[in-house]
Amino acid sequence: EAQVTQNPRYLITVTGKKLTVTCSQNMNHEYMSWYRQDPGLGLRQIYYSMNVEVTDKGDVPEGYKVSRKEKRNFPLILESPSPNQTSLYFCASSRGGSWSTDTQYFGPGTRLTVL
Amino acid sequence: AQSVTQLDSHVSVSEGTPVLLRCNYSSSYSPSLFWYVQHPNKGLQLLLKYTSAATLVKGINGFEAEFKKSETSFHLTKPSAHMSDAAEYFCVVSDRNSNYQLIWGAGTKLIIKP
Repeated sequence: EAQVTQNPRYLITVTGKKLTVTCSQNMNHEYMSWYRQDPGLGLRQIYYSMNVEVTDKGDVPEGYKVSRKEKRNFPLILESPSPNQTSLYFCASSRGGSWSTDTQYFGPGTRLTVL
Repeated sequence: AQSVTQLDSHVSVSEGTPVLLRCNYSSSYSPSLFWYVQHPNKGLQLLLKYTSAATLVKGINGFEAEFKKSETSFHLTKPSAHMSDAAEYFCVVSDRNSNYQLIWGAGTKLIIKP
């Protein structure tokens, strides 16, 4: 089954404790992206990647890191989480090429709480 | 700068009545426009998209949207609401000005009354 998976689905942590949220897709998609969703703000893009070893900042990259060492995986790293990073996070992938018009496929989301 | 405005944060309709979710956008170039749906505690799913072909776009689950350039609108409609339509709906725009990144509206929560 074609899908985007994220782990963990739920995470409660404390300020400053490094964490990684994994994202994996099995559709051989070139383009992957991370978003955060906050009430009343829609989705805001954190980072995106157009292919292996190619990443770029989205609208709200501060406090986050990503890497794209393999095509299928795109982990999101919070080196020193803070309470303002409490949010719902989504990973997405799309085929690439004409990625402005491609359909994005989303993971189920990771709800992160930073105390 | 590009932007998307969803004119209603909440819309409440009775089951069996028409649905209208409003979206206005600003774009300097020919935009691509999307509607995504998010059911409670679920991920996001594409409903439909406009990419400079027919201005009336049909999507899944009986939804459709019409691109009106003169009004800079891309409203989502459905003739008859079903209980399973209860969800949050997001209007999204993409164009050259945004480097083809997706710009998301704040979302409209659709409530279906029995």
